[in-house]
Amino acid sequence: AQSVAQPEDQVNVAEGNPLTVKCTYSVSGNPYLFWYVQYPNRGLQFLLKYITGDNLVKGSYGFEAEFNKSQTSFHLKKPSALVSDSALYFCAVRDGGADGLTFGKGTHLIIQP
Amino acid sequence: NAGVTQTPKFHILKIGQSMTLQCTQDMNHNYMYWYRQDPGMGLKLIYYSVGAGITDKGEVPNGYNVSRSTTEDFPLRLELAAPSQTSVYFCASSYTGLAGGNKNIQYFGAGTRLSVL
Repeated sequence: AQSVAQPEDQVNVAEGNPLTVKCTYSVSGNPYLFWYVQYPNRGLQFLLKYITGDNLVKGSYGFEAEFNKSQTSFHLKKPSALVSDSALYFCAVRDGGADGLTFGKGTHLIIQP
Repeated sequence: NAGVTQTPKFHILKIGQSMTLQCTQDMNHNYMYWYRQDPGMGLKLIYYSVGAGITDKGEVPNGYNVSRSTTEDFPLRLELAAPSQTSVYFCASSYTGLAGGNKNIQYFGAGTRLSVL
């Protein structure tokens, strides 16, 4: 069975500072990894994905994530945080099969002005 | 571009009643999914479909039913609603063909907030 862990319920960062939202995963085969963002009372929006290739993937709104196979991690990063980045972030994984994504519990990112 | 459209946005249901949550997508995606989101729990997969006429259970299917008669529509049926089904329901779709930069990305609707009282 596949699983995702987001160890932090909340991350607080000052505007302009770099941010990291952590994610580790467990999957039996090759992982398909995703980050989604959710704003209040909205659906989930895709940020970026790792399927294969370069370990550093770049996505929307200046976000990037690094796939680390040995540590089974896929941490989300951004060099300079904006107040508008404040939202709920979900890491998700699947093993390439036909069924849906397995999501982490989510991390609230709060960017302080 | 409408994407994934869910109706209704909000609904209050009495215990024991039934209802259908509607989901339609206009992206010609082959795969569609239903998730529920509970506070602090992430999203859990209820049912999914790999194409018209084909559906399968996800992690939490009990109390729900689905059908997929067309590529566009994937309704979720709640029978004999229970308070435990109070949640926010999200429909999603994805393309899993042979090529394309958006392959495997799931696109989500805005959700249906359901209360069972």
